[in-house]
Amino acid sequence: AAGVIQSPRHLIKEKRETATLKCYPIPRHDTVYWYQQGPGQDPQFLISFYEKMQSDKGSIPDRFSAQQFSDYHSELNMSSLELGDSALYFCASSDDRGPLYEQYFGPGTRLTVT
Amino acid sequence: KNEVEQSPQNLTAQEGEFITINCSYSVGISALHWLQQHPGGGIVSLFMLSSGKKKHGRLIATINIQEKHSSLHITASHPRDSAVYICAVRSRGGETSGSRLTFGEGTQLTVNP
Repeated sequence: AAGVIQSPRHLIKEKRETATLKCYPIPRHDTVYWYQQGPGQDPQFLISFYEKMQSDKGSIPDRFSAQQFSDYHSELNMSSLELGDSALYFCASSDDRGPLYEQYFGPGTRLTVT
Repeated sequence: KNEVEQSPQNLTAQEGEFITINCSYSVGISALHWLQQHPGGGIVSLFMLSSGKKKHGRLIATINIQEKHSSLHITASHPRDSAVYICAVRSRGGETSGSRLTFGEGTQLTVNP
């Protein structure tokens, strides 16, 4: 069965650079969530989209923005990168037309800022 | 106090042992997830519960909504079960889409041969 796809899997950037992370949800899933997991920390919710509209916002810095496109894939844009942005970024998707909203996670993008 | 608390934080077992990981939460929820994270970082969803009990192979998950408590059990544990197990809750009021998950700090399980 198709799973959530994230690209790239690994990304190395320098301070003050820009990064774009991509997430391709499971086919027919209409909701995408972004989470950030710092070293040794539990994942923290950043932002989510439902039907291409932002549906919830968590602890996402103003330097970050995200959107969901017509094909339901989502991109997380990160600017003015800081060392503290080094983390594992997970995307999850769900079919919120169903009753249970179970979230399925992608493999993550490991971002290292040097 | 965290909204989601797990115990124990670390657990070492011998192959074949029965393992229990506990999760307590302080908010009203619409669903609770048990997730598995391996050293490579990828997260796998094991269960999503809103009531009762679910079983998948050697894994059993239970939830008591009144007591705001869930347990994950592993029977006949195996070294390949070694991973971090994370409890995550979806807050109630989630009739609308896009409800975030709040994660516990995870339980590091090591199963020795």
